Amino acid sequence: EPEVTQTPSHQVTQMGQEVILRCVPISNHLYFYWYRQILGQKVEFLVSFYNNEISEKSEIFDDQFSVERPDGSNFTLKIRSTKLEDSAMYFCASRGGQGSYNSPLHFGNGTRLTVT
Amino acid sequence: AQKITQTQPGMFVQEKEAVTLDCTYDTSDPSYGLFWYKQPSSGEMIFLIYQGSYDQQNATEGRYSLNFQKARKSANLVISASQLGDSAMYFCAMREGRNTGNQFYFGTGTSLTVIP
Repeated sequence: EPEVTQTPSHQVTQMGQEVILRCVPISNHLYFYWYRQILGQKVEFLVSFYNNEISEKSEIFDDQFSVERPDGSNFTLKIRSTKLEDSAMYFCASRGGQGSYNSPLHFGNGTRLTVT
Repeated sequence: AQKITQTQPGMFVQEKEAVTLDCTYDTSDPSYGLFWYKQPSSGEMIFLIYQGSYDQQNATEGRYSLNFQKARKSANLVISASQLGDSAMYFCAMREGRNTGNQFYFGTGTSLTVIP
C-alpha cells in the first residue's frame, strides 16, 4: 500500500538554526498538509497546500515557516530560525486525487524535532 | 468554540468488551466529514473510519463503527471485542465544506487502555 514517507525521523538542532523537514506524499495525491504534535498531545494544523500554493495556514505558521514542492514528489517544511517551542513531532499528510471530496488524511510517521 | 470536543482524556476497557469513545463537533456547514484516527505509542497516525454528513447509515469498518447522531452533533467511535493492541490514543477529526484546502480539525484525543 502506498505511504507517505518523511525524513529524517529525528532531527536535533540548535536554537536559531534553520531546519528543513522532508516529505514524499502518496504519488497520486493532490492535497498536502503539515501538522505538529507536542508531547503526544493535541494535533495542531500548520498549513495545507494545493496546486503549488498554500490553501490555508494557521496562526502558528508565521514568517519563520515556509513550504515548498520543489519537484513532482517532495514536499518540504522549512523553519528559518528555530525556537525551543518548535520542539515537536511534525507530521506530513496527503489526501485524495481527483474527485476525492472527503478522502482521509494519510500521515507519514513524523519527524521528531528537538531544538536545544 | 472548539470544532471537535473529546471529553474523555482516558478510558479503560476489559479485553473482549466493547468501548465507546465520545466525540462532539461544531459546524454550521451542511457538508462535512468526520474521521477517527488511532495513534499507538509508536507515534504513527492510522486512519480508522470515516462518516460523511449526508451518509444515511452509520459507518462500519471491521470492529470499528461510528455512532453518528447528526442532530446531537456527535460521532462516537465504538470498538467491539477490544484487543490488547487497541491500546492507543484515539483522535476524532472533522473537515468542513468542499473547498480543496480546508484543514482537518482534531480533538484532544482519548487514551484507551485495554486491560487483560
